[in-house]
Amino acid sequence: EPEVTQTPSHQVTQMGQEVILRCVPISNHLYFYWYRQILGQKVEFLVSFYNNEISEKSEIFDDQFSVERPDGSNFTLKIRSTKLEDSAMYFCASSEERSANYGYTFGSGTRLTVV
Amino acid sequence: LAKTTQPISMDSYEGQEVNITCSHNNIATNDYITWYQQFPSQGPRFIIQGYKTKVTNEVASLFIPADRKSSTLSLPRVSLSDTAVYYCLVGDMIYNQGGKLIFGQGTELSVKP
Repeated sequence: EPEVTQTPSHQVTQMGQEVILRCVPISNHLYFYWYRQILGQKVEFLVSFYNNEISEKSEIFDDQFSVERPDGSNFTLKIRSTKLEDSAMYFCASSEERSANYGYTFGSGTRLTVV
Repeated sequence: LAKTTQPISMDSYEGQEVNITCSHNNIATNDYITWYQQFPSQGPRFIIQGYKTKVTNEVASLFIPADRKSSTLSLPRVSLSDTAVYYCLVGDMIYNQGGKLIFGQGTELSVKP
């Protein structure tokens, strides 16, 4: 079964540092997403990406966040200057269609800890 | 987007059938009902989706009554490995949400030996 791969699985960083979270979506998928989940809370939408541009972003996705698809396979989330409250699990997802009428595939996540 | 209500938690024993019901009184004509499963420290996993009546796959069944104001996810003969959080999502994301999924708190299912 095709998988969405995320690296690293764990990342510890100091407050104010930049981090880049990496994802390899499923190869024939066209839509890409980042979600996050703070410990004990809901899974929250951050951003969707299609055709090399952001389709939609949430209020959480402020100018400290950016996404990029630098080549044909990777999809990255950058946090420019991390804050303590950015500590969370970050999940990448991809889908063939831009609709929940088709199942999304999520990666196993990157646990980001900001100290 | 139709709001969903589901129990916060449920307990079961191995080998039992588990039914998790989700209420979505304001479901719209174009909305589908989708269930995801999430294990601790993992991303959500698509389980099943339906529009009306009954849908069955190798993992679960989804029962949707004629008025579509609720749905029931049925897990046959659960095992310890079915311990997870189960999310009910309702919507037609093309028009209403631009493709994003809106997760609620979900139902935390605990399967005991």
